Amino acid sequence: QSALTQPRSVSGSPGQSVTISCTGTSSDIGGYIYVSWYQQYPGKAPKLMIYDVSKRPSGVPDRFSGSKSGNTASLTISGLQAEDDADYYCCSYAGSYRYVFGTGTKVTVL
Amino acid sequence: EVQLVESGGDLVQPGGSLRLSCAASGSTFSSYWMHWVRQAPGKGLVWVSYINSDERSTNYADSVKGRFTISRDNAKNTVYLQMNSLRAEDTAVYYCATGSGSYYDSWGQGTQVSVSS
Repeated sequence: QSALTQPRSVSGSPGQSVTISCTGTSSDIGGYIYVSWYQQYPGKAPKLMIYDVSKRPSGVPDRFSGSKSGNTASLTISGLQAEDDADYYCCSYAGSYRYVFGTGTKVTVL
Repeated sequence: EVQLVESGGDLVQPGGSLRLSCAASGSTFSSYWMHWVRQAPGKGLVWVSYINSDERSTNYADSVKGRFTISRDNAKNTVYLQMNSLRAEDTAVYYCATGSGSYYDSWGQGTQVSVSS
């Protein structure tokens, strides 16, 4: 049950786009369509941003989008805004009612 | 969405035990799968355990298997995490969470567990 691999940090200026990768294996990301993404501010609970690879919950801006190719999932934030400055985690179903999170990425809005 | 409130976190010595509770609002609690997720200080999220709606199916991360037990009381809208043989590396904020089988759209505020002598 190794954590999914994410870049430690990404940054961009307001209005730019950033993409966060999340790399796993054929036993998790590559084997299922159940990838989700969470935004977390310091000291707060995570918030669901994307589920089932590319679906957005109600209330999440359409600036957030998700995709998957093989064993790697990605979260793209387009038109970066100051409030997007936060930590982001991917999560995948790993079979047999087990789940695995990514290592987390700090998004910095310059 | 369901509202979740955790409790039971505390400072405990290595080898000790603790039981966390997560109380849910809403009349459909009995239909939810429930999970525990933890976050060590300055670290990432880690899935800990899962229980299905009728308690017939559970699973655990390898790091806690044999030491932690998840259970639920649907009459009390509450899920529990019994933690035994606690270690320093179990120190974390513990969140309960629920959603569909593939994601979590409701999270509690977390409860702090500290394991230290």
